[in-house]
Amino acid sequence: RKEVEQDPGPFNVPEGATVAFNCTYSNSASQSFFWYRQDCRKEPKLLMSVYSSGNEDGRFTAQLNRASQYISLLIRDSKLSDSATYLCVVPSGSARQLTFGSGTQLTVLP
Amino acid sequence: GAGVSQSPRYKVAKRGQDVALRCDPISGHVSLFWYQQALGQGPEFLTYFQNEAQLDKSGLPSDRFFAERPEGSVSTLKIQRTQQEDSAVYLCASSILAGGREQYFGPGTRLTVT
Repeated sequence: RKEVEQDPGPFNVPEGATVAFNCTYSNSASQSFFWYRQDCRKEPKLLMSVYSSGNEDGRFTAQLNRASQYISLLIRDSKLSDSATYLCVVPSGSARQLTFGSGTQLTVLP
Repeated sequence: GAGVSQSPRYKVAKRGQDVALRCDPISGHVSLFWYQQALGQGPEFLTYFQNEAQLDKSGLPSDRFFAERPEGSVSTLKIQRTQQEDSAVYLCASSILAGGREQYFGPGTRLTVT
């Protein structure tokens, strides 16, 4: 099993839709989790940090289920500008390393 | 404000050549990370520095890869005798804390080995 697995997508949704991405991780000792956003041919940028059961920031909600080792990212009222690849990230190894999933590609259509 | 910068942005090397990739982290950031990102994949960890000390190099794929950060600021990733499988985007990230998990990435260097 990969350390971090994500829905591969692509997800194509209309503007205004709600979309959810899932991520599972194998390291049960992980305490913190991250979602990064990466635009085409750009660097990853931190979107949200998740340290407890979840986090909400505007239209974005991240939820954590430690028992199932599962993280989700919910985007409400999708905007065209939300089109990007969303990377699920889990600290691993010495906890200095970040292990990235392969990413889920989202395209929001007009 | 100044973010993480990397140079060159693009590098084409012939197989067997040595390359050096530079990273300027955010000023004052203690932690510096190098990642390799293949097309369609997430970044993969290569190595980690805390100030000038290289504390983790477990992700370096072979002894052809070498990284340094001699004064605890600028870092260089060197790849000797490049191979085609080294073609990827090399990302540098920095974090204000030691072992910091909230990392800020540079734009990357896209290396193509022909």
